[in-house]
Amino acid sequence: QSALTQPPSASGSLGQSVTISCTGSSSDVGAYDYVSWYQHHRGKAPKLIIFDVYKRPSGVPARFSGSKSGNTASLTVSGLQAEDEAVYYCSSYAGGYDFDVAFGGGTTLTVL
Amino acid sequence: EVQLAESGGGLVQPGGSLRLSCAASGFTFNTYWMTWVRQAPGKGLEWVANIKEDGSRTFYVDSVKGRFTISRDNGKNSVYLQMNSLTAEDTALYFCARHDVDTAIYFEYWGQGTLVTVSS
Repeated sequence: QSALTQPPSASGSLGQSVTISCTGSSSDVGAYDYVSWYQHHRGKAPKLIIFDVYKRPSGVPARFSGSKSGNTASLTVSGLQAEDEAVYYCSSYAGGYDFDVAFGGGTTLTVL
Repeated sequence: EVQLAESGGGLVQPGGSLRLSCAASGFTFNTYWMTWVRQAPGKGLEWVANIKEDGSRTFYVDSVKGRFTISRDNGKNSVYLQMNSLTAEDTALYFCARHDVDTAIYFEYWGQGTLVTVSS
């Protein structure tokens, strides 16, 4: 059972927007602004697309945005494109003195 | 271009051992934390272990403590995962990843993974 809860699936039409939620607890998402999101196309290397809740690494389109409220983080993909179809994982730092990172179970995004 | 290439996966019997390797290129290896993340069949991602730039600190998820050992050879730009006393629950695709340099929390670059199957 994953530490963070994501919906197993989400979908949207080309050009539309979709938001994926990620619910944690006061020990992870609610405690730290170290939330990240990863995009994973099957058979490929996962890709970091959001870090520090809302920041985008260089080269990630502005269509991807992140936010957080309390124990829930969200990823919004605007202007959906066919190549956005992938599995998206949220992650949050969950450690104190020791390193610990929690992941969500993943959300399969389908572009209709 | 940052590249990470995992190897060493395969079929192993319960109780057996396996050593995974990850060859890195395209960046100054000895200035980054490195990590292993796994994905069991049909499941989400799970962070497994990480190691400091100079190998002086390591951390593990509770489920592998005492069984897995992460190490690195900065001369060979490689990170390893020695896995002992393997059980079926260790069956997964194992990814090697490089941490970000600022916080060492995020997994900035990943490999494509190597599959470990524990079965008799």
